[in-house]
Amino acid sequence: KAGVTQTPRYLIKTRGQQVTLSCSPISGHRSVSWYQQTPGQGLQFLFEYFSETQRNKGNFPGRFSGRQFSNSRSEMNVSTLELGDSALYLCASSLGDVRGNAEAFFGQGTRLTVV
Amino acid sequence: AQTVTQSQPEMSVQEAETVTLSCTYDTSESDYYLFWYKQPPSRQMILVIRQEAYKQQNATENRFSVNFQKAAKSFSLKISDSQLGDAAMYFCAYRSFFQGAQKLVFGQGTRLTINP
Repeated sequence: KAGVTQTPRYLIKTRGQQVTLSCSPISGHRSVSWYQQTPGQGLQFLFEYFSETQRNKGNFPGRFSGRQFSNSRSEMNVSTLELGDSALYLCASSLGDVRGNAEAFFGQGTRLTVV
Repeated sequence: AQTVTQSQPEMSVQEAETVTLSCTYDTSESDYYLFWYKQPPSRQMILVIRQEAYKQQNATENRFSVNFQKAAKSFSLKISDSQLGDAAMYFCAYRSFFQGAQKLVFGQGTRLTINP
């Protein structure tokens, strides 16, 4: 069974640009969550999508947005990039709808550098 | 809001020895999950072990075990017979038990070094 796939693995963007990151979850998983990891702030929850609907949202500005497609693949978009957006962005997938199945499985992340 | 605290930024242990990583959390919920994730230099977060709060028995996975003290809100990870491949960042994480709550709250992490 294929794991969680994130593309691209590395990205360099200029301040003010926008970027789109992609995440393909494990087959059968309907929940996709996104996290930002930085040395200063650690791992912070961005948002979660389940069956194409945003179900949870963290404390990030509106420049951060996402969506989920009918095949459960998710994209995350950051507009008007700032230097502080440089981070490792991790995607996690899970079944999402059964109490007993709590595990989230992570992709290898996308390293975004804003210059 | 829930918080997770890992008070040891770095730990080191000799190969084959035992090491314990600490984690405390704060929550007003009675039902929840706790996890330990490992993040090696490859950056991929790997689930090490999980604990359901309603279970009194401590979880064990091979060389990894936890000491879950619900009243004290403490969740430590013990690694026995440490191996070089155990070297990584370890994160303690909390998740609400409710069906719709897929948000993980992470601690700041503990960097574990294994000395040969």
